[in-house]
Amino acid sequence: NAGVMQNPRHLVRRRGQEARLRCSPMKGHSHVYWYRQLPEEGLKFMVYLQKENIIDESGMPKERFSAEFPKEGPSILRIQQVVRGDSAAYFCASSPRQGAAGNTEAFFGQGTRLTVV
Amino acid sequence: GESVGLHLPTLSVQEGDNSIINCAYSNSASDYFIWYKQESGKGPQFIIDIRSNMDKRQGQRVTVLLNKTVKHLSLQIAATQPGDSAVYFCAENIGNAGNMLTFGGGTRLMVKP
Repeated sequence: NAGVMQNPRHLVRRRGQEARLRCSPMKGHSHVYWYRQLPEEGLKFMVYLQKENIIDESGMPKERFSAEFPKEGPSILRIQQVVRGDSAAYFCASSPRQGAAGNTEAFFGQGTRLTVV
Repeated sequence: GESVGLHLPTLSVQEGDNSIINCAYSNSASDYFIWYKQESGKGPQFIIDIRSNMDKRQGQRVTVLLNKTVKHLSLQIAATQPGDSAVYFCAENIGNAGNMLTFGGGTRLMVKP
């Protein structure tokens, strides 16, 4: 059972370009979460998606950032017109449907390291 | 010893000793807590979790303690090994559904052989 797969692992973009980060959740997982991590800091929640639905995007910047999790294919985090401040590691996590007992463990991918030059 | 500065707090321990990593969480309504280990260049790796109706949970070589009165979590690692060297984060669940997590600032554990 493959873990959470993110690609690319490293992405370099010039200021003003678009960045597309992909995340394939673990098999059987229908919940996807995106987080951003700056160097020497903890992860910051961005968005929570289920198939074809955005459940909570309270951590997403209002402009330039968008996320989707289509019925088929990976979840995509899209950053338009990137700026140097977007440089960070972006992590995706997935979990199965929430059980009767409440929260369940979320599994993280290896992240995409975005560098804006 | 433990130090705090501009970078991550660092805890240095001798191989074989026990380690204790502390975390203060922010939301008194949080009901689920997780400790993650993150090695350089990798994603967070689940270590152990605890729900708010418990004050202690043990795993293999690890124990998590929860003190809801002072909103404090600790992770105890027994017989620390070089492979335990990493950054450790506590996380609390912030949503009523799903696994939206608020992460703490992290502690770097360095194990001296």
